[in-house]
Amino acid sequence: AQSVTQPDIHITVSEGASLELRCNYSYGATPYLFWYVQSPGQGLQLLLKYFSGDTLVQGIKGFEAEFKRSQSSFNLRKPSVHWSDAAEYFCAVGSGGYQKVTFGTGTKLQVIP
Amino acid sequence: EPEVTQTPSHQVTQMGQEVILRCVPISNHLYFYWYRQILGQKVEFLVSFYNNEISEKSEIFDDQFSVERPDGSNFTLKIRSTKLEDSAMYFCASSGAGRTSTEQFFGPGTRLTVL
Repeated sequence: AQSVTQPDIHITVSEGASLELRCNYSYGATPYLFWYVQSPGQGLQLLLKYFSGDTLVQGIKGFEAEFKRSQSSFNLRKPSVHWSDAAEYFCAVGSGGYQKVTFGTGTKLQVIP
Repeated sequence: EPEVTQTPSHQVTQMGQEVILRCVPISNHLYFYWYRQILGQKVEFLVSFYNNEISEKSEIFDDQFSVERPDGSNFTLKIRSTKLEDSAMYFCASSGAGRTSTEQFFGPGTRLTVL
């Protein structure tokens, strides 16, 4: 069964600092991997996705993620965090197409001035 | 840009009542899904739907739940007799045709409050 682990429940960073959110997945075949962001009371916005090709994926809002098969990881990074990045971030895994997506428990990001 | 829409944005109901949550998927998509997120918890898969049939459902999706595509545009989730623990945000999603489709597009959600 597919699963996702986000070990950090809550992270606080200073505005302008770099950010890395961790994600580990368990999946039998080549996974489709996603990062979604959710602002309070809002829906899920796709930041980026990986399904094949270059293991470093660029997304919206200056985010990137790197797929490392050997570590079963898909960590999200941003070189310089803005106050508007404060939100909850969900890593997710699926097999593409019509299959369900399994979400991690999320990491809540707080940005301090 | 096409998007998934959901109505209502917030639904309040009494325990034991039936509710229908509505979704309009992206127009050329063929696969449809419902997920839910209990406050403070992760997003959980409920059901997937294709070709007028349920493709997969989770253990959460018991006999109290049903889905339907009543016409060419809407996709609904019905909860027959709501319980307090059904209070959650419900997300509809859709994806394109075939195994080459790589992502599901999520709607903004319907917040269901059961009193």
